[in-house]
Amino acid sequence: SQQGEEDPQALSIQEGENATMNCSYKTSINNLQWYRQNSGRGLVHLILIRSNEREKHSGRLRVTLDTSKKSSSLLITASRAADTASYFCATDQGAQKLVFGQGTRLTINP
Amino acid sequence: GAVVSQHPSRVICKSGTSVKIECRSLDFQATTMFWYRQFPKQSLMLMATSNEGSKATYEQGVEKDKFLINHASLTLSTLTVTSAHPEDSSFYICSARDVQGNAGNTIYFGEGSWLTVV
Repeated sequence: SQQGEEDPQALSIQEGENATMNCSYKTSINNLQWYRQNSGRGLVHLILIRSNEREKHSGRLRVTLDTSKKSSSLLITASRAADTASYFCATDQGAQKLVFGQGTRLTINP
Repeated sequence: GAVVSQHPSRVICKSGTSVKIECRSLDFQATTMFWYRQFPKQSLMLMATSNEGSKATYEQGVEKDKFLINHASLTLSTLTVTSAHPEDSSFYICSARDVQGNAGNTIYFGEGSWLTVV
């Protein structure tokens, strides 16, 4: 399978805490993207980091990329109950298609 | 912003029948659309790449005669699940690439379609 791994598979934290999710992939990439999915819904694009970038910020989101380790992390700071969702990384390996990781189910407890 | 619409959002069909799911890009043209399948609590698996005006490209293990894809216009791709069986019950999601948008090559996802085969 070309799919990467995400860890943890599930994460439960208290509101206000930071949440960190990790993603590893197997092949060279053009960019890596993070998506959010609420239960039974479509995907929402969160952030894209290119292969020549190491860190990117967007609001409460911080993404890092280490191409030598083929890994990325997503940090959500000051979590809110509304952040409860599944989070997926996806690698753009060229040929105009994304390969998704297994996802992390994040639960923010009020 | 750009929107991708899927229809129907939910469908129940009898085993052995065929079901068509539509994916439309509402305010941009998409020469390429992608179809994914997602089983409960699992990730998205790419099924095929839908190319406007040409045959779809299927991923390994996906039966092209069972999952028919038609990309007849720059804003519409359809996925038809033929002779559906209960194991085809899943969440099907499409995405479309807006190559001309401000963000360039941004991918937008539809809201998905729940298929239940009984």
